[in-house]
Amino acid sequence: DAGVTQSPTHLIKTRGQHVTLRCSPISGHKSVSWYQQVLGQGPQFIFQYYEKEERGRGNFPDRFSARQFPNYSSELNVNALLLGDSALYLCASSTTYRDTGELFFGEGSRLTVL
Amino acid sequence: AQKITQTQPGMFVQEKEAVTLDCTYDTSDQSYGLFWYKQPSSGEMIFLIYQGSYDEQNATEGRYSLNFQKARKSANLVISASQLGDSAMYFCAMREAIISGGYQKVTFGTGTKLQVIP
Repeated sequence: DAGVTQSPTHLIKTRGQHVTLRCSPISGHKSVSWYQQVLGQGPQFIFQYYEKEERGRGNFPDRFSARQFPNYSSELNVNALLLGDSALYLCASSTTYRDTGELFFGEGSRLTVL
Repeated sequence: AQKITQTQPGMFVQEKEAVTLDCTYDTSDQSYGLFWYKQPSSGEMIFLIYQGSYDEQNATEGRYSLNFQKARKSANLVISASQLGDSAMYFCAMREAIISGGYQKVTFGTGTKLQVIP
């Protein structure tokens, strides 16, 4: 069975540009969460989506947005990129937004902003 | 708001020895969950072990065990018989229920870099 898949795995952008990151959850999982991991730190919660609705949002500016599609895949969009947006962006899936237990993570998208 | 503290930025352990990675947490919730994840250089977060706040027994998964001391708010990870492949970053995390939003999020600590020495 396929795990959580993310694309692209690596990308380089310049300041002011826009980026779209994609995530496909594990089959049967309806909830997707996004995390940002800056070098040397633990992942920070950005968004959680369930059944195409935003269920939770972390302390991130409005430049960050996301959406979830009918097949439960998700996109994370970041506008007007800043140098500080350089990070590993991790997607996690779970069966519902109230899940206990394990979060299943993808391998992440490593974004470098120059 | 909850907080996870990992005070060991880096640890060394001899191959085949046991090692304990420290984690303390702070929450006012009665119901919560504690996790440990391993992150190799490839970046993927690999689930190791989970402990629920109401679980009376310490969780164990193969060579991993979680030393859960609720009164002290600590959830240390013990790795027995260390292997070279255990070299990685290790993150302690806690699940938090966001009552107002009806969802749960996970808060991570800053991690401990474990290096296993042959």
